[in-house]
Amino acid sequence: NAGVMQNPRHLVRRRGQEARLRCSPMKGHSHVYWYRQLPEEGLKFMVYLQKENIIDESGMPKERFSAEFPKEGPSILRIQQVVRGDSAAYFCASSPIEDTQYFGPGTRLTVL
Amino acid sequence: QKEVEQDPGPLSVPEGAIVSLNCTYSNSAFQYFMWYRQYSRKGPELLMYTYSSGNKEDGRFTAQVDKSSKYISLFIRDSQPSDSATYLCAMSRLNTGNQFYFGTGTSLTVIP
Repeated sequence: NAGVMQNPRHLVRRRGQEARLRCSPMKGHSHVYWYRQLPEEGLKFMVYLQKENIIDESGMPKERFSAEFPKEGPSILRIQQVVRGDSAAYFCASSPIEDTQYFGPGTRLTVL
Repeated sequence: QKEVEQDPGPLSVPEGAIVSLNCTYSNSAFQYFMWYRQYSRKGPELLMYTYSSGNKEDGRFTAQVDKSSKYISLFIRDSQPSDSATYLCAMSRLNTGNQFYFGTGTSLTVIP
């Protein structure tokens, strides 16, 4: 059973460009969570999604950030017009209905 | 006040030592408590998962939860160099469908 998959593993963008981060949950998992991790800081919750629904986006910045989990395909975290402060590791986690969260390897975003 | 407090360390111990890692929290509604291990530049890996108060043992690892003191611990017996990693505590109000609150992580080095 493959784990949570994230790609790309490393992403470099210039200021003002768009970043798209993809997450494929574990087989059988219908809940997806996105977290951001900055150096010397813990994981910060961003958004929780189920298929075609955003359940909790209380941790998402109000502008430039969006997330989706379509009926088919991976979950996407999209950051528009990236700024240097967006540089971080972004982790996706998934869970089945009655269990805890399992994390992917992360995408490390660098904004030049 | 942060929801979850964790001493960042770093913690350095000789091989074979017993390691004690701790977190405190402020939200009495937390019911589920997790410990994750994160190697450098990797995603967090679930180690232990407990519900409410009490102890849980898995091999060399023991998790303790004291809800009256809002204090959780992870003990590692017979520590090995391969245990060198950052350990993150996490907690939530519900087992799923809810964001996790993470500590900042404790960096552990086990010296051969």
